[in-house]
Amino acid sequence: AIQMTQSPSSLSASVGDRVTITCRASQGIRNDLGWYQQKPGKAPKLLIYAASSLQSGVPSRFSGSGSGTDFTLTISSLQPEDFATYYCLQDYNYPHTFGQGTKLEIK
Amino acid sequence: EVQLVESGGGLVQPGGSLRLSCAASGFTFSSYWMSWVRQAPGKGLEWVANIKQDGSEKYYVDSVKGRFTISRDNAKNSLYLQMNSLRAEDTAVYYCARVEGEVGMDVWGQGTTVTVSS
Repeated sequence: AIQMTQSPSSLSASVGDRVTITCRASQGIRNDLGWYQQKPGKAPKLLIYAASSLQSGVPSRFSGSGSGTDFTLTISSLQPEDFATYYCLQDYNYPHTFGQGTKLEIK
Repeated sequence: EVQLVESGGGLVQPGGSLRLSCAASGFTFSSYWMSWVRQAPGKGLEWVANIKQDGSEKYYVDSVKGRFTISRDNAKNSLYLQMNSLRAEDTAVYYCARVEGEVGMDVWGQGTTVTVSS
């Protein structure tokens, strides 16, 4: 199975900050990667698909990049509602695999 | 409104069985792959299984192969997960999700909790 390694595991930041989360695949996955946001007690929400495409309705401060094995999720200017846990997911092959998550906390 | 609603979770003893259901509404269920994803208490997300629109292809994470079966009834707009030989490590919130082509899992249910304990 392809392993997805996210970094950092946790991150403290302030409103207005620019933050970047990284996801590395153990083998090439083209651009078959999505980013999901999850808030406590809630279902995950799709933010980015195909590594860099913004899901409908998601604010433009979220962006994704990368291809092959290295991917990033960037939030250009943190808003209070962005404090959550973020996961990457590869759907290049089966079994699909998530990264371990990055918890974004308020500084 | 596009919606997925899971049901069927509960407390079950190790070795027992449980069948989860996911009722879909607001979209043409038969046109989409569907997924199950789970989250153990305090842990991250784990993809569990996928099923093709007509049920002809099914895929599972290794840890549930031979124990869990994903299925669907397009006439009832419903997705299922039959879970047998349950273990403590299967304790989790189970989510169903719609798979929109290359977009991925774009619609999620609210989750149903499965607890495996004696």
